[in-house]
Amino acid sequence: KNEVEQSPQNLTAQEGEFITINCSYSVGISALHWLQQHPGGGIVSLFMLSSGKKKHGRLIATINIQEKHSSLHITASHPRDSAVYICAGEGNEKLTFGTGTRLTIIP
Amino acid sequence: DAGITQSPRHKVTETGTPVTLRCHQTENHRYMYWYRQDPGHGLRLIHYSYGVKDTDKGEVSDGYSVSRSKTEDFLLTLESATSSQTSVYFCAIRDRGWDTGELFFGEGSRLTVL
Repeated sequence: KNEVEQSPQNLTAQEGEFITINCSYSVGISALHWLQQHPGGGIVSLFMLSSGKKKHGRLIATINIQEKHSSLHITASHPRDSAVYICAGEGNEKLTFGTGTRLTIIP
Repeated sequence: DAGITQSPRHKVTETGTPVTLRCHQTENHRYMYWYRQDPGHGLRLIHYSYGVKDTDKGEVSDGYSVSRSKTEDFLLTLESATSSQTSVYFCAIRDRGWDTGELFFGEGSRLTVL
């Protein structure tokens, strides 16, 4: 069983909608990464967090250590946000990646 | 953007041939990683390096070897490619070790083994 589980696997929304992608992880993970992978394949790091909340532009990442859960939110979604979003848990000198959430924003 | 490049970006080869993928960085970061990405799986670590000539195995290292003779270059070699090694390979770098520092990824190298 993967130690990092993402949901949903696929998400389609209309432009302007508020988007939430979830990531649950197992014991032993002390930091959580959110990554973005666009069609064409390049991977970009969005956030690394171990507590609380981080914000960058329209992107917000939160983590709840007690519940072993993190969320990535996108406000005022735009078609250019269409991508695969990947969470990865880090701990015990290991980085475990989720299988990704494919987000499609329709104009 | 972090200075990290992978080559080749695309390669088609035949079973049994050797293949070397190169990851080159201009950031002087200490840590370098090779991952493979396959449908239905998250990125999986093949090998990583924590300095020149210092490397260690990841979770899917069988059939792969690596070398790092300079800070800027991390080579991944498939001594005798198999069809199961058809994948997209990503190199990543970071300036500090586990639990610290942002990861920067290369653009990926798509390898097809016929």
